[in-house]
Amino acid sequence: AQSVTQLDSQVPVFEEAPVELRCNYSSSVSVYLFWYVQYPNQGLQLLLKYLSGSTLVKGINGFEAEFNKSQTSFHLRKPSVHISDTAEYFCAVSGGGSNYKLTFGKGTLLTVNP
Amino acid sequence: KAGVTQTPRYLIKTRGQQVTLSCSPISGHRSVSWYQQTPGQGLQFLFEYFSETQRNKGNFPGRFSGRQFSNSRSEMNVSTLELGDSALYLCASSAGSSGNTIYFGEGSWLTVV
Repeated sequence: AQSVTQLDSQVPVFEEAPVELRCNYSSSVSVYLFWYVQYPNQGLQLLLKYLSGSTLVKGINGFEAEFNKSQTSFHLRKPSVHISDTAEYFCAVSGGGSNYKLTFGKGTLLTVNP
Repeated sequence: KAGVTQTPRYLIKTRGQQVTLSCSPISGHRSVSWYQQTPGQGLQFLFEYFSETQRNKGNFPGRFSGRQFSNSRSEMNVSTLELGDSALYLCASSAGSSGNTIYFGEGSWLTVV
């Protein structure tokens, strides 16, 4: 079985400050890792994903994440946030092979204040 | 190209009724999956269909069912609605291979009264 833990349910930051949203996962098989963002009253939009290769993954809107196999982590970072980054962020994992479902964390609400 | 389209966006049903939600995937995508999102349980996987066959199923009661048509469009049905079924139901589509990006629709908001 797979699980995802997002360590912070809420993260308030000031505009132009850096931010890190933490995600840890557990799985008995090799995994694919994803970060999605959800704006109010909308569906989920993919920010970035890790399948294999370089452990530093760059995504849209200036976000990046680093896969750390030994620590089973996939933390999301942005060096300078904007008001428009205010949203809920979800870390997700899927197993390799024939496992096509996503297992999500509980989400982190990022609030960017002026 | 058009994204994942879900209808209806909002609906209100009474306990005991049944509901059908519809999803049109991105053109060319053969995999459609459904998720339930609630404040308490978060995002939970319901089921996934590929070429009209259910490939994966989550831990939901048999009241929740789905199907996929030959044009890859999908429907999910919930029978004998309970208050706890109130949720945002998200449909997602992908090309269907492991690791493919999964694209989500904007969801159908179901309120059970």
